[in-house]
Amino acid sequence: ETGVTQSPTHLIKTRGQQVTLRCSSQSGHNTVSWYQQALGQGPQFIFQYYREEENGRGNFPPRFSGLQFPNYSSELNVNALELDDSALYLCASSPGGGNNYGYTFGSGTRLTVV
Amino acid sequence: GDSVTQMEGPVTLSEEAFLTINCTYTATGYPSLFWYVQYPGEGLQLLLKATKADDKGSNKGFEATYRKETTSFHLEKGSVQVSDSAVYFCALSDRTGTASKLTFGTGTRLQVTL
Repeated sequence: ETGVTQSPTHLIKTRGQQVTLRCSSQSGHNTVSWYQQALGQGPQFIFQYYREEENGRGNFPPRFSGLQFPNYSSELNVNALELDDSALYLCASSPGGGNNYGYTFGSGTRLTVV
Repeated sequence: GDSVTQMEGPVTLSEEAFLTINCTYTATGYPSLFWYVQYPGEGLQLLLKATKADDKGSNKGFEATYRKETTSFHLEKGSVQVSDSAVYFCALSDRTGTASKLTFGTGTRLQVTL
């Protein structure tokens, strides 16, 4: 079975620009979550998608938005990039709620905002 | 809100030494608990999990027991190897609204030397 794949692996953007990150969930997983991991920190929950609907959100502003597609893949969009958005963005998938099953993470997209 | 506190690193050990990484948590509900490992330049890999009090998670020689009375989930390994060098994250999973999200500690870097 394939795991979670993310693209691109690295990205450099200028402050004020917009960016789209992509994630393909593990086969059989219908729930996708996105996390932001700043350097030297633990990942922070951005939001979660289940059956193409956002069903939970962390403490991130509305310029962070997302989509989930019928094949359960997902996108994270960030508008009006700020320098503090520089981080590793991780996608995680799970078969339904992750409480009992855990989450499978991708290798992440390293975003640098200059 | 939910939180996870881990012992600060880095932890430096000689090969074959005993490892303990402390983790305590605060949660309003009955969370599941996880340890994830992150190797340099990679995403997170699930190391072990426990879903209810007194459960013991184990994998690759690592163990952790869900202690509800002390709200702890300490990671242990009897004999570490150089290949165990990585950053270890303790995390809990609980529901926020209809979503299950992971709350992470700040991570503990382990370095094992010959």
